[in-house]
Amino acid sequence: EIVLTQSPGTLSLSPGERATLSCRASQTITSSHLAWCQQRPGQAPRLLIYGASIRATGVPDRFSGSGSGTDFTLTISRLEPEDSAVYYCQQYGVSPPWTFGQGTRVEIK
Amino acid sequence: VQVVESGGGLVEPGGSLRLSCAVSRLTFSDAWLSWVRQAPGKGLDWLGRSKGKVDGGTTDYAESMKGRFTISRDDSKDTLYLHMNNLKTEDTAVYYCITDPGGWMGSWGQGTLVTVSS
Repeated sequence: EIVLTQSPGTLSLSPGERATLSCRASQTITSSHLAWCQQRPGQAPRLLIYGASIRATGVPDRFSGSGSGTDFTLTISRLEPEDSAVYYCQQYGVSPPWTFGQGTRVEIK
Repeated sequence: VQVVESGGGLVEPGGSLRLSCAVSRLTFSDAWLSWVRQAPGKGLDWLGRSKGKVDGGTTDYAESMKGRFTISRDDSKDTLYLHMNNLKTEDTAVYYCITDPGGWMGSWGQGTLVTVSS
């Protein structure tokens, strides 16, 4: 089973600042099969990024994903108040089980 | 795509429960679907998935789910099920049904809360 470790645990930034979230895998993730989702307080998660860098439909272009192998990054270029949420990475490698990281909480000051 | 879970509630330890997931606005029989749960204040935990009929209709499970949890589907009703047996207090969580177009979690339902308590 691939273990995903996200860092930092919490990120506290001001509106307009840039957020950089990391996701590191315990082994190489084939074909960049990594996704990111966002969970706002009291809501279900929603897909942001899949294939490491492909934005899901309707996701603002201030969200971008990058990386390959074992190291992946979600960048939010200009934070807005509605970006306050927990962000999870998820791998879907060669075969199940799929696994999630433990999450990074982004707080907007 | 619209995903709606139901069937959650309060159940005693050792009891059973069946969750349902109704999916609309896609060809259900071809759809791959996953179940994910989230314990109170915790992260996301992938439970398993059901492949569409054209891909064999088979299921895959997280190792920890094998034996107590079973995923099934009724394509005539556009509904996915999660059968849970011998429930434990640690199974208390919100259970989500999600479309799984290629391994990533696509469209999420709002979730259904299962509380295991005496």
